[in-house]
Amino acid sequence: QKEVEQNSGPLSVPEGAIASLNCTYSDRGSQSFFWYRQYSGKSPELIMSIYSNGDKEDGRFTAQLNKASQYVSLLIRDSQPSDSATYLCAVTGTASKLTFGTGTRLQVTL
Amino acid sequence: SQTIHQWPATLVQPVGSPLSLECTVEGTSNPNLYWYRQAAGRGLQLLFYSVGIGQISSEVPQNLSASRPQDRQFILSSKKLLLSDSGFYLCAWNPGGDSPLHFGNGTRLTVT
Repeated sequence: QKEVEQNSGPLSVPEGAIASLNCTYSDRGSQSFFWYRQYSGKSPELIMSIYSNGDKEDGRFTAQLNKASQYVSLLIRDSQPSDSATYLCAVTGTASKLTFGTGTRLQVTL
Repeated sequence: SQTIHQWPATLVQPVGSPLSLECTVEGTSNPNLYWYRQAAGRGLQLLFYSVGIGQISSEVPQNLSASRPQDRQFILSSKKLLLSDSGFYLCAWNPGGDSPLHFGNGTRLTVT
């Protein structure tokens, strides 16, 4: 079992719709959770951090964390073509080691 | 504010040649520093990390080495490159603990 799992996609959503990206993790002791956006050929850019159960909103982005079920999700409201990228989920485990998923590719269509 | 610089942006090297990639961080002291590699269509693979000058931890044994000669400088090296060393190399930093990583712009290495 991979430590951090994501569906590779592509996830295709029309412009203006809500994109929902999911991530599961295996280490029950994980404390910190991050979402990164990576455009093709570029480095990952941090877009959200979440540390406690529930929702955290930042503009069009909402991160959701459920430690009991060991999943974290990212919602993107009013999706724009500029949101088309690969989204990486990253989790800090009990050894304070940050582990990345392989990413979900999002395509926002006109 | 903190910034991370990584160079060069692209590099084409023949098999068997040496490699030196450099990364520096500004605006902070005693950062944790990391080298990752991302092969085409693959996830991020942690290569090395450092919590202080001269302290290097290797995650994956391979043809590469890392050094931290100064507090905010991290260098990735190889004596002889292999074709399999091609990839996108990323330097990153964080202040430690459960803080997120912040990445440099990356170096795309092609070994021919």
